[in-house]
Amino acid sequence: TQLLEQSPQFLSIQEGENLTVYCNSSSVFSSLQWYRQEPGEGPVLLVTVVTGGEVKKLKRLTFQFGDARKDSSLHITAAQPGDTGLYLCAGGELGSQGNLIFGKGTKLSVKP
Amino acid sequence: DSGVTQTPKHLITATGQRVTLRCSPRSGDLSVYWYQQSLDQGLQFLIQYYNGEERAKGNILERFSAQQFPDLHSELNLSSLELGDSALYFCASSASGPHTDTQYFGPGTRLTVL
Repeated sequence: TQLLEQSPQFLSIQEGENLTVYCNSSSVFSSLQWYRQEPGEGPVLLVTVVTGGEVKKLKRLTFQFGDARKDSSLHITAAQPGDTGLYLCAGGELGSQGNLIFGKGTKLSVKP
Repeated sequence: DSGVTQTPKHLITATGQRVTLRCSPRSGDLSVYWYQQSLDQGLQFLIQYYNGEERAKGNILERFSAQQFPDLHSELNLSSLELGDSALYFCASSASGPHTDTQYFGPGTRLTVL
């Protein structure tokens, strides 16, 4: 069974700081998605990365997929209170029918 | 708004009861996925349907079942409910083609079993 481990589990920072969230596995994934979820809401897709070594930028967010397609990172520059939420990574299982394996998430709190 | 709709938003019921959760996928999406999210387990994949047929099963209990109808909406049936079934239940859909990974989530149904 493929597993995704996210770190850190909790992160509390001040507005303006930078942060990086990690998503690691010993298994190879066909793709990796990052989602952001607010309390009581469904996860909202931020980005999908499919190629090893791929880097995608979304305003202040930078996503990287590891060369071996086993890990990924999310870097936020100059965090703002609006970035507060649960960040989830999800990997597409190789050979699956589109199933996603989710990490347990990183709960980010950005204080003004 | 992801385009995926789920009803009801909240559901409160008693142990031993049976409930049905409903999901309508994004327009054009053929795949529907069901997930359970609890505080200690995170998001757990339950089951996937593609164009009306069951495609994959995850950690779904025998007391739970699902189906996808010809109009592509899906229902998740939970029976003989236990306290531990209290959780958020999410439906997601993906674009046509069973091997497309990107999924779009609905707002969820919060189930409380008393």
